[in-house]
Amino acid sequence: GNSVTQMEGPVTLSEEAFLTINCTYTATGYPSLFWYVQYPGEGLQLLLKATKADDKGSNKGFEATYRKETTSFHLEKGSVQVSDSAVYFCALPFSGSRLTFGEGTQLTVNP
Amino acid sequence: NAGVTQTPKFRVLKTGQSMTLLCAQDMNHEYMYWYRQDPGMGLRLIHYSVGEGTTAKGEVPDGYNVSRLKKQNFLLGLESAAPSQTSVYFCASTGGTGRSYEQYFGPGTRLTVT
Repeated sequence: GNSVTQMEGPVTLSEEAFLTINCTYTATGYPSLFWYVQYPGEGLQLLLKATKADDKGSNKGFEATYRKETTSFHLEKGSVQVSDSAVYFCALPFSGSRLTFGEGTQLTVNP
Repeated sequence: NAGVTQTPKFRVLKTGQSMTLLCAQDMNHEYMYWYRQDPGMGLRLIHYSVGEGTTAKGEVPDGYNVSRLKKQNFLLGLESAAPSQTSVYFCASTGGTGRSYEQYFGPGTRLTVT
């Protein structure tokens, strides 16, 4: 079945630093790919998605490109802010309507 | 549009007690899910439902029961709570349209079993 491997954390950066969180996947075909974000004390929110190979998802300054050659969907942001401190999850459909999630990467941004 | 709501937000139970967590969604979604989140374990699927009147087991169903009597509600029950069920519980839903399957999450219920 489909699976996702996500970069282990935690990640600590200074404000305005460049962020990359790695995500690679194993899948049959070309399913949609997702990044979710979980702010402290809240549920997960969809951050961005890509529905086909070579698509780039973007939102709130974050970007991720669906790369079928390297089976990757790395999350990037050029200049992080303190308010970006959260846990980030990579995800893809597992079976039917179910999603499988990565283990999550804790990001802390210091001022 | 409230999205996905969960009741209660916090609960403390003693071992052996029972309780029901309620999830409600107002997006007319077909699919609903219950997850638990534990430190270092990511999200694990407990049970899910692909439509009103249906339920199915996920990764970690033991000790839990669910019901989906109405399309907008998905209930998670603990018949006899154990300390191992101390966790944060999230409900999610999706319309399941197309190939997207993006899920919408509730704010979570923090359960402590002593």
